[in-house]
Amino acid sequence: DAGVTQSPTHLIKTRGQQVTLRCSPKSGHDTVSWYQQALGQGPQFIFQYYEEEERQRGNFPDRFSGHQFPNYSSELNVNALLLGDSALYLCASSPGTGRNNEQFFGPGTRLTVL
Amino acid sequence: AQSVTQLGSHVSVSEGALVLLRCNYSSSVPPYLFWYVQYPNQGLQLLLKYTSAATLVKGINGFEAEFKKSETSFHLTKPSAHMSDAAEYFCAVRSNDYKLSFGAGTTVTVRA
Repeated sequence: DAGVTQSPTHLIKTRGQQVTLRCSPKSGHDTVSWYQQALGQGPQFIFQYYEEEERQRGNFPDRFSGHQFPNYSSELNVNALLLGDSALYLCASSPGTGRNNEQFFGPGTRLTVL
Repeated sequence: AQSVTQLGSHVSVSEGALVLLRCNYSSSVPPYLFWYVQYPNQGLQLLLKYTSAATLVKGINGFEAEFKKSETSFHLTKPSAHMSDAAEYFCAVRSNDYKLSFGAGTTVTVRA
C-alpha cells in the first residue's frame, strides 16, 4: 500500500501565477481533505472533497479551488499567488467523511512564492 | 466552533525523562481528539486518538494521553524520552465530520 502520495514535492512560483497540486489517496479511501501549513504553524483546513463534491470549506478565499476525480484523486488549484501562500500543502485521505474515520496524511508539497 | 490551544511552543527534555505536552480544547459538541507527530520534511503521523471510549488512550511509540472533560484537556505523555522523539507534535480536535482543527504545535528537543 503506497499510502497518500502528493506531487510535486517542491514548487517555486512567482506572485500572480497559478499552481496545481495533486494528491492520490490511500487505497480504499474516497475522501480527500486539503490543509495549508505555514512555517511554524499548525495545519489549517482548506476544504474536503467527497463524491467529487466540495463538502466543507475553511476560511480561504475563492483563489483556492479544488477538484476530485472519479478515481478519488484530487487537485488543489491556487490562482493569483501571493507571497503569503508560501506553505506546506498537505493532503489527507480517509474512508468516508465520518469523524471517527482517521485522516491519513501525505508528505506534502512545499510551495514557495517569490 | 472548535479550537485547540497547545501550551508551550518548545519543550526540552533529557533522554530518559518524562515528556509532557499540554493541550486544551474548545468544542460545542463532545469532541474527538488527536495527537499527531511531524518529523522534519514529512507529513503528519497519528500517535493516538480519543473517540469517546476510554479516557486514557495509549498510542504508538510509548505515548499516551488522558481526556479530562472537566479540565477540557488532552495532555500527551511519555514516561521516558528517547532521542528519536525529537519532532513537532500537534494536538487536533474534530467536532464534525469534516475538518481537523490543529493547535500551533510543540517542538520537542531531547538532550543526551
